[in-house]
Amino acid sequence: EAAVTQSPRSKVAVTGGKVTLSCHQTNNHDYMYWYRQDTGHGLRLIHYSYVADSTEKGDIPDGYKASRPSQENFSLILELASLSQTAVYFCASSDAGEVTEVFFGKGTRLTVV
Amino acid sequence: GEQVEQLPSILRVQEGSSASINCTYENSASNYFPWYKQEPGENPKLIIDIRSNMERKQTQGLIVLLDKKAKRFSLHITDTQPGDSAMYFCATMLSGSFNKLTFGAGTRLAVCP
Repeated sequence: EAAVTQSPRSKVAVTGGKVTLSCHQTNNHDYMYWYRQDTGHGLRLIHYSYVADSTEKGDIPDGYKASRPSQENFSLILELASLSQTAVYFCASSDAGEVTEVFFGKGTRLTVV
Repeated sequence: GEQVEQLPSILRVQEGSSASINCTYENSASNYFPWYKQEPGENPKLIIDIRSNMERKQTQGLIVLLDKKAKRFSLHITDTQPGDSAMYFCATMLSGSFNKLTFGAGTRLAVCP
């Protein structure tokens, strides 16, 4: 099965601090994504990347940056964490083929205090 | 963009009965419709999907129906079991969109013995 690994699995950050969430996939997938899930809600797309060294804005990019230094790795960066960014963050990957399954990591629970 | 509405948000059924979840979407160019199951503390996992060239798909107690004219698709779980209790999310994908998913808000299904 496709493997998407996120680290850390949980984190507590202080308001105004910098947070980096990491994602590593061993699927040889070209596409990677960061989604945010708020309690009891669906997932919303923050940033995505279709090739290494390039990132694109998703539906809710404000307050977040992304970095894709290699095909396998995709990071989400919160330069100035805020209380409203408390959520569960999921990384995902998919093959570059048209309309293919998207595989999700196990998520990072971020609490900003 | 795309908007996906999912109903109901909460669904309680008796063990052995059927459960139905409905989703509507706005963009007629959407061509892939996956359903994800998410258990507490876990990542969303694909359970069934349907492409726009199909109207019905069935696998292991799950049925998905797609009505492109009405821009509506639905998940039907037959003979529900306690293990089916979870959050269920519908999603859509647009052709040529780097496989980005737009999710519904989710349905919390509780199967009561």
